[in-house]
Order: sequence, then structure tokens, then C-alpha cells
Amino acid sequence: TQLLEQSPQFLSIQEGENLTVYCNSSSVFSSLQWYRQEPGEGPVLLVTVVTGGEVKKLKRLTFQFGDARKDSSLHITAAQPGDTGLYLCAGARGTYKYIFGTGTRLKVLA
Amino acid sequence: DTAVSQTPKYLVTQMGNDKSIKCEQNLGHDTMYWYKQDSKKFLKIMFSYNNKELIINETVPNRFSPKSPDKAHLNLHINSLELGDSAVYFCASSQVASGSGDTQYFGPGTRLTVL
Repeated sequence: TQLLEQSPQFLSIQEGENLTVYCNSSSVFSSLQWYRQEPGEGPVLLVTVVTGGEVKKLKRLTFQFGDARKDSSLHITAAQPGDTGLYLCAGARGTYKYIFGTGTRLKVLA
Repeated sequence: DTAVSQTPKYLVTQMGNDKSIKCEQNLGHDTMYWYKQDSKKFLKIMFSYNNKELIINETVPNRFSPKSPDKAHLNLHINSLELGDSAVYFCASSQVASGSGDTQYFGPGTRLTVL
């Protein structure tokens, strides 16, 4: 059973377009993180959200945690080729365990 | 300086063999993890260690045996390798693994191919 479903699975867009990636679950998480992974490398943390309804911005990236702490979204404004990668959400389940989402592969074309 | 390092980067071996992957972190973190990423890029936790003690074993087969000789190292030994073990294995560490979501730092991964 996948606890964290991401949509879309794949996304190919032109440079300058906006996009939103969704991370949904039926479970409540104490916190949720977003990572970006590039080919041949490990995931790198982008942001952690903790409070229901919380919104965080990182330059052109906007992250939101759902009010009920079951879902999250990542919005990218004016995407650039450097944004290309695999985006993963991860929810904390207890103290030492993180459940990762199914992943969204983004490709931004120049 | 590399924060979390793994060796080897690539590992190709025959079914039935035994192999080890090493992981070291120089961040002074208390908690280390092993994850498995399959061909569909799904990343699943295998083990969590805190201060050299096993905290989480996610129903991983007994053929997988992690060992933490000290807080900076977490090695993974795999016995009797099977085709289904082929994947990329990631080591990660965090200062503490609190519910507030401490940052996990991932190593570069070890691509294991079982023939």
C-alpha cells in the first residue's frame, strides 16, 4: 500500500510555464518534506513543513501543507531547465521513519 | 568534504553471493538510515539506527544485516543475493529524527546489480 501518492507521475513542460505537484495521503503526518533528486545522486531536501496550512516559499517554489496534515503541494513558477529532476515528498511517521511518495519526474525544456 | 559517503558506487555480482556496502557520515549526526530505491524510483526505508542501536527494521529479509560500529558508520551486508535485490541503496543521516522533521542528508547511492 502506497501511503503517499504523488501526481502527476511525469511532467514535461516548456521553460517559463508554471506547474503544481501534489502529494496525497489518507494518513496524518507530523511533518512533511519535499526533496529533489537528480540522476546518479541522492535526494536533497528542499523544505520541511510542520504546521497544517503552512506555506513556505523558496525562490520560485511554493510549498503548502494541507490543513489536516494529510497532503501537500509544490508549485513552481516560471520553470527553468535547472528545475528538471525527480521530486519526492516524504512524511514523518513516528520519530525515526519517513515514508516517501511515489515521485514526480519533471522535465523542463529550454 | 563529502557529508555522507558510500562505497562502492557500483556493485555487480552473481546471484547467491554475499556483498557489503559501506556508509560513513562526517556530520556528527546521531541517526543513520538505509533506503532502497527500485527501478520505478520508489524510495523505501529499510533500517534506522540511533546512536549505533537499531530502531527500525522495515520487515527486511534476514539476508540483510546492518552493522553500526560507531555513530559515523552504518554498513549493510547482504547474504545470498537475489535478482530482486537489484536496486540503488542509499545511506542517509540526520542529527536527530524528531517528529518535526529533521533534515536527512543522503549519500550518492550504491547501484547493485545482481545477475
